[in-house]
Amino acid sequence: SQQGEEDPQALSIQEGENATMNCSYKTSINNLQWYRQNSGRGLVHLILIRSNEREKHSGRLRVTLDTSKKSSSLLITASRAADTASYFCATDRQGANNLFFGTGTRLTVIP
Amino acid sequence: DAGVTQSPTHLIKTRGQHVTLRCSPISGHKSVSWYQQVLGQGPQFIFQYYEKEERGRGNFPDRFSARQFPNYSSELNVNALLLGDSALYLCASSLRNPNTEAFFGQGTRLTVV
Repeated sequence: SQQGEEDPQALSIQEGENATMNCSYKTSINNLQWYRQNSGRGLVHLILIRSNEREKHSGRLRVTLDTSKKSSSLLITASRAADTASYFCATDRQGANNLFFGTGTRLTVIP
Repeated sequence: DAGVTQSPTHLIKTRGQHVTLRCSPISGHKSVSWYQQVLGQGPQFIFQYYEKEERGRGNFPDRFSARQFPNYSSELNVNALLLGDSALYLCASSLRNPNTEAFFGQGTRLTVV
């Protein structure tokens, strides 16, 4: 079963706008990661935020984590057509040897 | 350096057949994990191997098996294929911790007809 849920399931925006995706999860975690997937191919790691961190930046990406609400958000600023992809959150659950992925958000950036 | 390589990239099999998928991790990586991604869903964990030993197993039937070789490459085997096994199978490699430093391959798209 999926560990997390992303919302929205799909998001369509104009190039240059910001895109925000949310992720909720159910259990205690060591860290939370965001991945990108183009056209059903391999996953590309974007950013990792540890459970004791609240916010992290990487280029045009900003991730927040609220462990009290068991939720995270990914903000992509100044979006580009090349950002069109599916985005997944994945949690590293305490005591587990694997990642638990959410259901994903399909982002479409219109040129 | 080459990334994680998986073969084949696409595969079509008939119900009841068996299939073997292969994964070569990044050089120096000793941990390999397998995930199944059904269309429209997120990846689900199947197996994790470290130093040739199984370290984790997801909620998959015994038709699924895997192994890791001395060179750290890995095979995923699925017997008695069902239509529902149609999916993208992803391999991830890491130096040691599979949860903080995983690099994914491009996957094998398996279609069962």
